Amino acid sequence: AQSVTQLGSHVSVSEGALVLLRCNYSSSVPPYLFWYVQYPNQGLQLLLKYTSAATLVKGINGFEAEFKKSETSFHLTKPSAHMSDAAEYFCAVSLKSSGDKLTFGTGTRLAVRP
Amino acid sequence: ETGVTQSPTHLIKTRGQQVTLRCSSQSGHNTVSWYQQALGQGPQFIFQYYREEENGRGNFPPRFSGLQFPNYSSELNVNALELDDSALYLCASSIGQGQEKLLFGSGTQLSVL
Repeated sequence: AQSVTQLGSHVSVSEGALVLLRCNYSSSVPPYLFWYVQYPNQGLQLLLKYTSAATLVKGINGFEAEFKKSETSFHLTKPSAHMSDAAEYFCAVSLKSSGDKLTFGTGTRLAVRP
Repeated sequence: ETGVTQSPTHLIKTRGQQVTLRCSSQSGHNTVSWYQQALGQGPQFIFQYYREEENGRGNFPPRFSGLQFPNYSSELNVNALELDDSALYLCASSIGQGQEKLLFGSGTQLSVL
């Protein structure tokens, strides 16, 4: 069975600072990996996804993530935090693109200080 | 895009009651998935419907059931509500069964008293 672990339920950064949200996965076969963002009272919005193409994946709003098989990691980064980045971020894994469920981590709440 | 619309946005029920949550998928999306997000947790997969047939189910009891209709709408039904059913229920639609292009609704917040 696949799973993801998000280290740090709360992360706080200053505006303009680097954002690093950590995600490690466990999967018996090559996974598909996703990062979603959830703003208050809203659903989930896809930030980016890894589906076995390039290991460095660029997403929306300046975010990117790098798939590292040797470390079983898929950490999310953004060079410079903006106040509007404050939200809950979820890492998710799927075993294949067709028909399998998404298994989510427990989320990381990002706070951005002025 | 019309997006995914869920109704109602909030709902309060008492233990033992039954509830129906509704979802209107993006036009043309023939797959709908339902997720339960408990407070402070990530979403958990309930089940998926593809072309009106259940096409995968998570670790949820049979009192959680669903329907998908030809007009891109769907329902999640929960019988014999329990306190632990209190959660945000998210509907997500897609074309085909792939998970990489899910479009999520804003959810229905269910409180069971």
